[in-house]
Amino acid sequence: EDKVVQSPLSLVVHEGDTVTLNCSYEVTNFRSLLWYKQEKKAPTFLFMLTSSGIEKKSGRLSSILDKKELFSILNITATQTGDSAIYLCAFYSGNTGKLIFGQGTTLQVKP
Amino acid sequence: DAMVIQNPRYQVTQFGKPVTLSCSQTLNHNVMYWYQQKSSQAPKLLFHYYDKDFNNEADTPDNFQSRRPNTSFCFLDIRSPGLGDAAMYLCATSPRTSGRGYEQYFGPGTRLTVT
Repeated sequence: EDKVVQSPLSLVVHEGDTVTLNCSYEVTNFRSLLWYKQEKKAPTFLFMLTSSGIEKKSGRLSSILDKKELFSILNITATQTGDSAIYLCAFYSGNTGKLIFGQGTTLQVKP
Repeated sequence: DAMVIQNPRYQVTQFGKPVTLSCSQTLNHNVMYWYQQKSSQAPKLLFHYYDKDFNNEADTPDNFQSRRPNTSFCFLDIRSPGLGDAAMYLCATSPRTSGRGYEQYFGPGTRLTVT
């Protein structure tokens, strides 16, 4: 059965810290992996990754995919309180044409 | 701005009283999705439409129905809400489902409370 596992489930850091969020997956027909940020509302899109080893970057956030080891990481440098959110990882299944979400990592950034 | 709009943002209904949630999009995307998200859980797909082609998830209860009268609008009907149906309901769209996949754009969600 296709699944996505995120770790840690929750994380508390202080402003200025760097965090790494992990996402591992087991899929039969992987097409792409997506990261979303969810505050007290709907998820907002961060990145879509399809190729191994190519880092995607947006400001203080970056992400990379390892298709051999079946995982992705999301890095946030110089964290700010506005980064506090749930970060969702999802993969797009070529078998079903659907996104399969992980449970999410809840990040709290303290001042 | 092109976007996904959900109404209402908050809905309170009584146990067993039918409720309809609506979603509209100005992105002109082919595919529309309805997800249910309970507290501290990942979004769970209920249905999706590829154009007018309806796709029901195997474990979506019969109590949940959906309609897509045109490209822009999609409705979620809960025929007899139970306490367990209290959740955030998310509508999302994407250009298509084939190939490498495309990011899904989410609306702000409707938080449903059942009393």
